[in-house]
Amino acid sequence: DIVMTQAPLSVSVTPGESASISCRSSKSLLSSKGITSLYWYLQRPGKSPQLLIYRMSNLASGVPDRFSGSGSETDFTLKISKVETEDVGVYYCGHRLEYPYTFGAGTKLELK
Amino acid sequence: EVQLKESGPGLVQPSQTLSLTCTVSGFSLTDYSVHWVRQPPGKGLEWMGVMWSGGSTAYNSALKSRLSISRDTSKSQVFLKMNSLQTEDTAIYYCTRDYFDYWGQGVMVTVSS
Repeated sequence: DIVMTQAPLSVSVTPGESASISCRSSKSLLSSKGITSLYWYLQRPGKSPQLLIYRMSNLASGVPDRFSGSGSETDFTLKISKVETEDVGVYYCGHRLEYPYTFGAGTKLELK
Repeated sequence: EVQLKESGPGLVQPSQTLSLTCTVSGFSLTDYSVHWVRQPPGKGLEWMGVMWSGGSTAYNSALKSRLSISRDTSKSQVFLKMNSLQTEDTAIYYCTRDYFDYWGQGVMVTVSS
């Protein structure tokens, strides 16, 4: 199985400041079709996860452009600029390259 | 409006079988896949398996021997059945569409005698 490793486990951010979350995969997520199969999700407290970024750098529908995704074949970053109170929650990276799809352990974002 | 809603028993006895239903609206099961993802209390996400739009399925190898996913397209429902439940199967079970762009609210399943 592909192992997804996130860092840090938690991050505390002042509202209005930026935050970055890292994710590393144990195998290249670049598919034979040239698609990087890396996704980011946010799970707000008590809620279902929501899709933020698909295919490494594409913003999901309705997601503010304060969120952005970047990376290589195995190292990925989610950046949140100008953090707002609604951004609090746990962020997960995950892949869809092969079965089983797996997720990182999550990064908890809190406000200072 | 796209919606998914899980339903099923909140409590299952150890060694018994879990049966869950995901009822969808706003899209067709023949156009989009539906996945099952679970989350133990306070822990991360685990992909369980998928019902593809064409009717084929795929499962997490860690659960494959216990898990079955089926559907009734006429009722817009996807079913999950998992046998030999143990306490470690206690979790919130979600169904989610396609690229996980829409999720159900989740159903909490507790395995306990």
